[in-house]
Amino acid sequence: GQQVMQIPQYQHVQEGEDFTTYCNSSTTLSNIQWYKQRPGGHPVFLIQLVKSGEVKKQKRLTFQFGEAKKNSSLHITATQTTDVGTYFCAGRGTNAGKSTFGDGTTLTVKP
Amino acid sequence: DVKVTQSSRYLVKRTGEKVFLECVQDMDHENMFWYRQDPGLGLRLIYFSYDVKMKEKGDIPEGYSVSREKKERFSLILESASTNQTSMYLCASLDRGSTDTQYFGPGTRLTVL
Repeated sequence: GQQVMQIPQYQHVQEGEDFTTYCNSSTTLSNIQWYKQRPGGHPVFLIQLVKSGEVKKQKRLTFQFGEAKKNSSLHITATQTTDVGTYFCAGRGTNAGKSTFGDGTTLTVKP
Repeated sequence: DVKVTQSSRYLVKRTGEKVFLECVQDMDHENMFWYRQDPGLGLRLIYFSYDVKMKEKGDIPEGYSVSREKKERFSLILESASTNQTSMYLCASLDRGSTDTQYFGPGTRLTVL
């Protein structure tokens, strides 16, 4: 079945440093979503990417979808303590009825 | 705003008990999901449902069953709880509109003693 791998599993940064998490699928995706889960909270939808090579920005967050639609990344510029949490990608295969979640990247930010 | 509610935030049960976890969504979504979340293992799909009375096994269905008698309600059942089912359980409802957005409930932290 479809597999979605996410790296790194954990990332510790100093406040102000940049952060990137990567998501790779074993199959071509029709779309990919990104979610953020704050400590003690539940995953909350951030964005969806659909087009090959698509890049979307939300303030300090930049999301990219690879040309082959098999990988994606989330980049945070100048991290803040409010960015802490676990970031999940979820990809839907082209013939799949549902999305598959990556294992998440947990970000901690040292003030 | 979409609202997904789960019947309990915290639950403590004993080994062998039958456990019901309830999830209700108020947006008339057809698709609903049950996940469990454990440290280092991400979100693992237990069961999902495309419509009333329809259910599909996810990646880890063993030891669980589900019920979808009404569109807004999706129940997860542990027929005989075991200690390895101690976990955080998350329900989600899917909006198949312009995006594949899953709306998650607050979660139920289940402890089986």
